[in-house]
Amino acid sequence: NAGVMQNPRHLVRRRGQEARLRCSPMKGHSHVYWYRQLPEEGLKFMVYLQKENIIDESGMPKERFSAEFPKEGPSILRIQQVVRGDSAAYFCASSRRDRGNEQYFGPGTRLTVT
Amino acid sequence: DAKTTQPNSMESNEEEPVHLPCNHSTISGTDYIHWYRQLPSQGPEYVIHGLTSNVNNRMASLAIAEDRKSSTLILHRATLRDAAVYYCILRVTSYDKVIFGPGTSLSVIP
Repeated sequence: NAGVMQNPRHLVRRRGQEARLRCSPMKGHSHVYWYRQLPEEGLKFMVYLQKENIIDESGMPKERFSAEFPKEGPSILRIQQVVRGDSAAYFCASSRRDRGNEQYFGPGTRLTVT
Repeated sequence: DAKTTQPNSMESNEEEPVHLPCNHSTISGTDYIHWYRQLPSQGPEYVIHGLTSNVNNRMASLAIAEDRKSSTLILHRATLRDAAVYYCILRVTSYDKVIFGPGTSLSVIP
């Protein structure tokens, strides 16, 4: 059973460009979470989604950031007009509907904004 | 939200048991105690969770104090692969976001 998959693993963008980060949850998992880890800092929750619904986006910056988890396909975290401060590791986690206690994390996407 | 307090860092010798403490004096009756760990350059990994009773799984044991104001994650035989940051977290419901604190950085000495 493949784990949570994230791609790309490394992404370099110039200031002002858009970044799209993809997350494929584990098979059978319908809950997806996104977290951000800034250099030398802890992990911070961003958003929690179920299929076609945003459940909790309390950790999402108000501008430039958006997330979706469509009925078919991976979850997407989209950052428009990236700035240097967006450089971080972005982790996706998933859980099953009936075993929400265990979140399984992907390897992360390391975004570098130049 | 109830908070947890952990030592910033700990050291252990390889193949010896490790006891990682966590204080959560303001825990409420509905808070579950969770542990995750993050190995260098990897995503966090679920370790174990419990409510009131001690718990065991293939990775570790969780010992919960009778008053639930503290708990201890026990690695029975530390290996070099166990060197990681260990996070003790309280969660009210199963599907809550995970709120990570600074955690305990565990070093394992060969």
